[in-house]
Amino acid sequence: DAGVIQSPRHEVTEMGQEVTLRCKPISGHDYLFWYRQTMMRGLELLIYFNNNVPIDDSGMPEDRFSAKMPNASFSTLKIQPSEPRDSAVYFCASSLLSPAGYNEQFFGPGTRLTVL
Amino acid sequence: QKEVEQDPGPLSVPEGAIVSLNCTYSNSAFQYFMWYRQYSRKGPELLMYTYSSGNKEDGRFTAQVDKSSKYISLFIRDSQPSDSATYLCAMSGGSFQKLVFGTGTRLLVSP
Repeated sequence: DAGVIQSPRHEVTEMGQEVTLRCKPISGHDYLFWYRQTMMRGLELLIYFNNNVPIDDSGMPEDRFSAKMPNASFSTLKIQPSEPRDSAVYFCASSLLSPAGYNEQFFGPGTRLTVL
Repeated sequence: QKEVEQDPGPLSVPEGAIVSLNCTYSNSAFQYFMWYRQYSRKGPELLMYTYSSGNKEDGRFTAQVDKSSKYISLFIRDSQPSDSATYLCAMSGGSFQKLVFGTGTRLLVSP
C-alpha cells in the first residue's frame, strides 16, 4: 500500500487566496483525520470523519476552514480566505479501529503551507 | 493548562546513552497511551502503544505508564544517531476516541 497520500507537498500563497489541501487515505481505513502542526501549538486535531461522515469538527479554528469527504478515498481541507497565521504543516491521517481497541493513526507526509 | 504536557527539548545525548522522555496529563479518563516518532519533514509514525498502567518493552524501547501520577515515559537504551527525531506522546479515553498529542520532544543523538 502506498500509505496516506497528500497533495500538494508545499503551498505558498498570498493572504486572501483560497487554499485546498487534498488527502487520499489508506484503502479500507474508515477514519480520516486532519491535523495542523506548528512549533507553538504542536499537533492539533482539526476534524475527523468516520465512514465519510464528519464526527467532530470542534478543532476547526474558524469558519474560514472547511473539510469534506465525498467518498472513502478522498478528502479536502479548504481555507478561504487564507491568512498568514494559517501557515503550518497540515497532516492527514487515517486509521482502522484495531480489535485490541486502540487507534493507530497512519499519517501522510504533510502539506507545508505558507501564507504571505 | 493543556491536557498533555511535554518538554519540547531539544534533548542532546551521546550515542549509547539511555534516554528518558516524559509526558504528564490531566485527564484521568485517558486509558490508551502511545508514542509517535517524527523524523524531520515527515509525518509521525506509531512507535509504541500501552493500554492502562504498566510497562511494555520492544527492543531498545520501553514505555511506562503511571496512571496514579498521570505520568508516562519512554526509555531508549543504547541510543543511536538514527533515533534523532521528535517524539510525541498521545493518549485517548475510550476504545475509540480522538488522540490528544503532546507538543513533542526533539531528541538529538550525536555519534
